[in-house]
Amino acid sequence: QKEVEQDPGPLSVPEGAIVSLNCTYSNSAFQYFMWYRQYSRKGPELLMYTYSSGNKEDGRFTAQVDKSSKYISLFIRDSQPSDSATYLCAMGSSYKLIFGSGTRLLVRP
Amino acid sequence: DAMVIQNPRYQVTQFGKPVTLSCSQTLNHNVMYWYQQKSSQAPKLLFHYYDKDFNNEADTPDNFQSRRPNTSFCFLDIRSPGLGDAAMYLCATQDGAYSNQPQHFGDGTRLSIL
Repeated sequence: QKEVEQDPGPLSVPEGAIVSLNCTYSNSAFQYFMWYRQYSRKGPELLMYTYSSGNKEDGRFTAQVDKSSKYISLFIRDSQPSDSATYLCAMGSSYKLIFGSGTRLLVRP
Repeated sequence: DAMVIQNPRYQVTQFGKPVTLSCSQTLNHNVMYWYQQKSSQAPKLLFHYYDKDFNNEADTPDNFQSRRPNTSFCFLDIRSPGLGDAAMYLCATQDGAYSNQPQHFGDGTRLSIL
């Protein structure tokens, strides 16, 4: 079993839809949680970062962490074609990050 | 205002011919990482430096080496590239004052092996 599981998609939604992306994990030692966005042929770009259970909002993005269920989510409101990318969850403890394999999102105009 | 810069963006080398990838940063972060990412896969950590201290992952092949001559620069050396080493190589940095700080990535070097 992988330490971090993420549905690879692809996930195709119409413009303006609410998008929900999810990851589950098995290691209860993970202390902090991140979401990265990766466009084709580019490096991962940090979107959201949190180290506690609960919700964190930044513009159209909301990150949710449920440590008791070992489950994290990223919600994108009013999705735009420019949101089309691969979204990677990542979590860690100490100086090591473990990534999910990414969910490919396509937002159709 | 790129903060983590990787050169070159694309590198082609021959099977078995040594190749060096470079990473520089303007963030003055003391932790630097090298990851390997294959198509549709998660980035896989190869090694990282905390200041000058080198930390190798247990499953990183001996074929992969790294050098960090100063805070700003870090190099990835692949001594004898095989076809399976074709991938995107990502460099990342982190402010090591606290272990839970986020990592910041460059745009990667895409390595092809002929």
